[in-house]
Amino acid sequence: ETGVTQTPRHLVMGMTNKKSLKCEQHLGHNAMYWYKQSAKKPLELMFVYNFKEQTENNSVPSRFSPECPNSSHLFLHLHTLQPEDSALYLCASSQEDLNSPLHFGNGTRLTVT
Amino acid sequence: AQSVTQLDSHVSVSEGTPVLLRCNYSSSYSPSLFWYVQHPNKGLQLLLKYTSAATLVKGINGFEAEFKKSETSFHLTKPSAHMSDAAEYFCVVSDQGGSYIPTFGRGTSLIVHP
Repeated sequence: ETGVTQTPRHLVMGMTNKKSLKCEQHLGHNAMYWYKQSAKKPLELMFVYNFKEQTENNSVPSRFSPECPNSSHLFLHLHTLQPEDSALYLCASSQEDLNSPLHFGNGTRLTVT
Repeated sequence: AQSVTQLDSHVSVSEGTPVLLRCNYSSSYSPSLFWYVQHPNKGLQLLLKYTSAATLVKGINGFEAEFKKSETSFHLTKPSAHMSDAAEYFCVVSDQGGSYIPTFGRGTSLIVHP
């Protein structure tokens, strides 16, 4: 149990579908993150939210749309994805403190067909 | 700007032999440094962290790391590898220049042979 829960664990979607990834943390953290992990590539930071406000958007295509309704929940809405978007999507949370480690969920394995 | 370099993409050891995973960092401030481990199809788990206290940091599962400012290094070691140590390991740095958002290394895959 990591304290950060991601659903679903696996998702297969077509390029015209719309789906959402969900992340939930009850660790009392005030920052939440989305990362993309593709095979043979470094971990890519996508979005950061702090107290529900988006503080980072690393040039992510608009087909990825984050939503943070409160400090415990984070969503990633997906639409018209491409096959190269297939990856493991990891959610993490932390305190807004450079000494505070990230707590990761187990990820959603996304396959775009 | 902060950065981190993991010097080996793959490290292969035999079970029962020592493990050394190398990490060098760059930071204009006093950094915080972390090592994370990722087993297949899992998220990343914190192994240990350095936050300007003792330079030798002990973590979970028998791992430890030593902060060497003069060498800008934070290498991860374990005296005796176990088969269950086979995983991906990430070195991470954060400092005041990058706010609280950490920078990850590219990862080192540890392979343990029986």
